[in-house]
Amino acid sequence: GAVVSQHPSRVICKSGTSVKIECRSLDFQATTMFWYRQFPKQSLMLMATSNEGSKATYEQGVEKDKFLINHASLTLSTLTVTSAHPEDSSFYICSANPRTGEAEKLFFGSGTQLSVL
Amino acid sequence: DQQVKQNSPSLSVQEGRISILNCDYTNSMFDYFLWYKKYPAEGPTFLISISSIKDKNEDGRFTVFLNKSAKHLSLHIVPSQPGDSAVYFCAASVSSGNTGKLIFGQGTTLQVKP
Repeated sequence: GAVVSQHPSRVICKSGTSVKIECRSLDFQATTMFWYRQFPKQSLMLMATSNEGSKATYEQGVEKDKFLINHASLTLSTLTVTSAHPEDSSFYICSANPRTGEAEKLFFGSGTQLSVL
Repeated sequence: DQQVKQNSPSLSVQEGRISILNCDYTNSMFDYFLWYKKYPAEGPTFLISISSIKDKNEDGRFTVFLNKSAKHLSLHIVPSQPGDSAVYFCAASVSSGNTGKLIFGQGTTLQVKP
């Protein structure tokens, strides 16, 4: 089946630093990728929709200047958490949507556990 | 505002018995529902889905039931196997899932005991 690779799987950083998370679709092209965040015992919350070659669409309450998304190619989207603070500590996970656009064809990365000290 | 809710954080069943995982939603615009399974340190994987025009969809040991009037869906696994132990997320979508934008529940951790 299709594979979405997400790196790093875990990152610990100091408050105030920036962290970049990569999401790659390994065997298909993804015009759209989705970034989710999950706090402990809560659901996966959609943060933004990343569109290849255009600006990302952010969900209400998500700061676009803090969570920078770049989708420069059909196989790579990056999420950069700028000036990270302890409250940004969370599980971040991406999903990639092949051109078909069918929801069940969404493939997820393995996630990134971010801990900000 | 939690539009999709899984009120049971965990469920434990004996191998061979039926597992029933429940999910409730509040947005009547949702017309496509999915169940995902997630193992530790892995991303969720698609399990089964159902469109709002149906009330049941079956795939092997997995059956999803949809009660639109109650805004409730459930996933039945029978017979349950130890390998089914995982976190199960229900998700909902508008526009028959074509946008790929999903609203997830909190997840239910299923433990199947040998």
